[in-house]
Amino acid sequence: GQSLEQPSEVTAVEGAIVQINCTYQTSGFYGLSWYQQHDGGAPTFLSYNALDGLEETGRFSSFLSRSDSYGYLLLQELQMKDSASYFCAVGGNTDKLIFGTGTRLQVFP
Amino acid sequence: DTAVSQTPKYLVTQMGNDKSIKCEQNLGHDTMYWYKQDSKKFLKIMFSYNNKELIINETVPNRFSPKSPDKAHLNLHINSLELGDSAVYFCASSVGGSEKLFFGSGTQLSVL
Repeated sequence: GQSLEQPSEVTAVEGAIVQINCTYQTSGFYGLSWYQQHDGGAPTFLSYNALDGLEETGRFSSFLSRSDSYGYLLLQELQMKDSASYFCAVGGNTDKLIFGTGTRLQVFP
Repeated sequence: DTAVSQTPKYLVTQMGNDKSIKCEQNLGHDTMYWYKQDSKKFLKIMFSYNNKELIINETVPNRFSPKSPDKAHLNLHINSLELGDSAVYFCASSVGGSEKLFFGSGTQLSVL
């Protein structure tokens, strides 16, 4: 089967850096995705890693280590608007995207 | 221009009723999905359609019946609603098996 684990909650202050980890178990791994969801909103795509290494998109970066079945989302220069839930997700040979349990990030002033 | 739109946004109904949620995407994608998000924010796939054909049907009660009249639309009909069906239902679309999904704004279903 497929399963993903991530911390349930992370807190940080404005301007700080925070890392949200994700470990996964899956068959036929293709890549690791990250989604952001604000309260009352829809999940929105942030990033996708198919290969090992770091992908940077503005203040957000995502890392993947296939050998460790591990990835993380790095958020820099945190802003209040970054307070949201963050989900890692894996696809595979089942043609479906499985989401992790989500990490609630609270950013304090 | 809304990419993935679903209606209604809120649905409050009594146990035992039948209800439908509609979804449309104007992105030209060929794959559409229904996800259920429970009160603990766990997002679980229910169905997936590719070019109007059902390709994923998770362990969902057969009271839930998706219908895709064309590749831009995927509707969800729920019969005999139960309390446990209360959740937020998200429609999404993608290009083929891409892991970049575009989600609708969700339908909050409350069964009383």
